[in-house]
Parts: sequence; C-alpha cells; structure tokens
Amino acid sequence: GAVVSQHPSRVICKSGTSVKIECRSLDFQATTMFWYRQFPKKSLMLMATSNEGSKATYEQGVEKDKFLINHASLTLSTLTVTSAHPEDSSFYICSAQERGGIDTQYFGPGTRLTVL
Amino acid sequence: AQKITQTQPGMFVQEKEAVTLDCTYDTSDQSYGLFWYKQPSSGEMIFLIYQGSYDEQNATEGRYSLNFQKARKSANLVISASQLGDSAMYFCAMREGGAGGTSYGKLTFGQGTILTVHP
Repeated sequence: GAVVSQHPSRVICKSGTSVKIECRSLDFQATTMFWYRQFPKKSLMLMATSNEGSKATYEQGVEKDKFLINHASLTLSTLTVTSAHPEDSSFYICSAQERGGIDTQYFGPGTRLTVL
Repeated sequence: AQKITQTQPGMFVQEKEAVTLDCTYDTSDQSYGLFWYKQPSSGEMIFLIYQGSYDEQNATEGRYSLNFQKARKSANLVISASQLGDSAMYFCAMREGGAGGTSYGKLTFGQGTILTVHP
C-alpha cells in the first residue's frame, strides 16, 4: 500500500506554545488529507478535511483558529496546534486519500502530543 | 444514531482459529464503501480490506474476508488462522456518497474491537 509519514512521532510542549505536525504522502499525490484525533482506547474522531490549495473544512466543534491546517502541496499537509493547553494532549493521526481505484485512505503513524 | 456500530469491545481467539468481528452500519446512501483497519499498540492504522456497496461478491485479502450482508447492513470481518501478531484494535469504517460529492472521502469509524490472540 501507499506510504504516509508523520512528523514528529512524539512531542512534549509547554502550555501556551504552538506545535506543528507534518503529514506527507511519500509515493503518491493526495489532493485530500484528513486529520483525526484519538483518545486512549477510543475511536478516531475526524477534525478536519484538508484540500490542496483551498481552505480546510472543519468538523463541528473543532476550533479552526486553534487547529490551523495548511495543505501547501499535493504531498504535504500540516496541523498547527496553537496556544496548546493540557486538554489538547492526544494522539493525532493524519490520512491521505489515494485517488483512483477504491480511493483508499492511508494513515500516517500518528503523533502523540503531550502538553505540560 | 450511530452510523457504524461495533458491539464487541473485546474478543479473544486461540491461535490458528478463525474469528469474526462484527460491524453494522446505517446509511441512506446507495453508494458507500466499507473499510476495516487494524491498529496495533504502536498506533498506526493499517488498511486491511474494502467492500463497495455495489460489489456483489464478498471481499477477500489473504486471511481477511468481509462477510457483507447488504440487507442486514452488516460488514463483518473474518480473520482465518489467527496469529499472535493479529492482536490489535480493529476498526470498521464507512465512506458515504460517490466520488465527486462535497463530503467524499470522509470516514466514519466504529468504536473498535480489541482482539487478543492466545497461544
């Protein structure tokens, strides 16, 4: 299957700082990428849909000013958690949709964010 | 109402035995896709198998097969000859609508089932 990378895999930051997470499709172009959040032993919750060259579409209840998404190219989307708080601590996973065939979403390995 | 329901929080199976993980879904769309993903303790989500709503045959991928019963709106995952490495969380997910729709691509996930394979 297609490969999606995510960086960093783990990050610890202080309250009030901003953290940027990168999601890259390594061997295919992805016009659409998705950002999810997951709490321990829980399901994935879609935060936003990232479209290359246009604004992201956020799910209800997700603060767009807090979770900034930029999809600058067909292989890169970034999620920036601004003014992080301890309640933002979570596992963040991105996915990239490979168009053609069944349009499968391939997931990155995830980023564990801890806000102190 | 839940769009994707996985009623088994945890399942246990003996190594080399087969196991079925349940998934039911709810949609009014005629065109939709059903996916199963495996999430080991490392956290990555691994794509296993896909079933399209118009596919007449059940999908199979190696030891994985999908028991698709459209009228009952169920898409159970069957893992044959379980291996210790199959121990993980398994998610069923649905993508509604056809390509080109405004919300195309969004996946809705079930609650997940933790599978433990015993030696």
